[in-house]
Amino acid sequence: SQELEQSPQSLIVQEGKNLTINCTSSKTLYGLYWYKQKYGEGLIFLMMLQKGGEEKSHEKITAKLDEKKQQSSLHITASQPSHAGIYLCGAARTGNQFYFGTGTSLTVIP
Amino acid sequence: DGGITQSPKYLFRKEGQNVTLSCEQNLNHDAMYWYRQDPGQGLRLIYYSQIVNDFQKGDIAEGYSVSREKKESFPLTVTSAQKNPTAFYLCASSIGLAGGMYEQYFGPGTRLTVT
Repeated sequence: SQELEQSPQSLIVQEGKNLTINCTSSKTLYGLYWYKQKYGEGLIFLMMLQKGGEEKSHEKITAKLDEKKQQSSLHITASQPSHAGIYLCGAARTGNQFYFGTGTSLTVIP
Repeated sequence: DGGITQSPKYLFRKEGQNVTLSCEQNLNHDAMYWYRQDPGQGLRLIYYSQIVNDFQKGDIAEGYSVSREKKESFPLTVTSAQKNPTAFYLCASSIGLAGGMYEQYFGPGTRLTVT
């Protein structure tokens, strides 16, 4: 089983709609990262959350890390076609390793 | 421009051949990583390196080898022992190791197809 579970696996929304992607960990998170990937390309760093209850925003994307530090959500307001891609959450593991969720594929229909 | 380069973008090999994927960074980062991405499985860590001449196995190191002779370079060799080598390979770097809460910067990836 995955240490980081993302939901939903895929999402199709109409342009202008809001959406939320969730990332749930089976262990306490010591740092949670969100990345975006265009198909067949590298990952682009979006945000990093460290503290329980922390919330960060970048343009129309907001990410939160819950108080118990085992779940994070990524919320996009008024989605645009440029938001389309694969969103991945990642977390640091003890021993200096890093692991990722399975990703959420987002399609935005104009 | 600072960044990470991977070459080539697409690579084709016959089964049984070793192949080396290139990864170069000019960000002056100490840590570098190799990941493999398969459909529906996210990214999985193959190897990582904190400093020159030192590297550690990740979750799926079997069938792969790396070297870190220079700070800027972290090539990955996919050996014939890797049972299912066809995948998208991503290289990344960070100022320090991920456990120290440093974000990773990714290259554009190399898609390897072995037939």
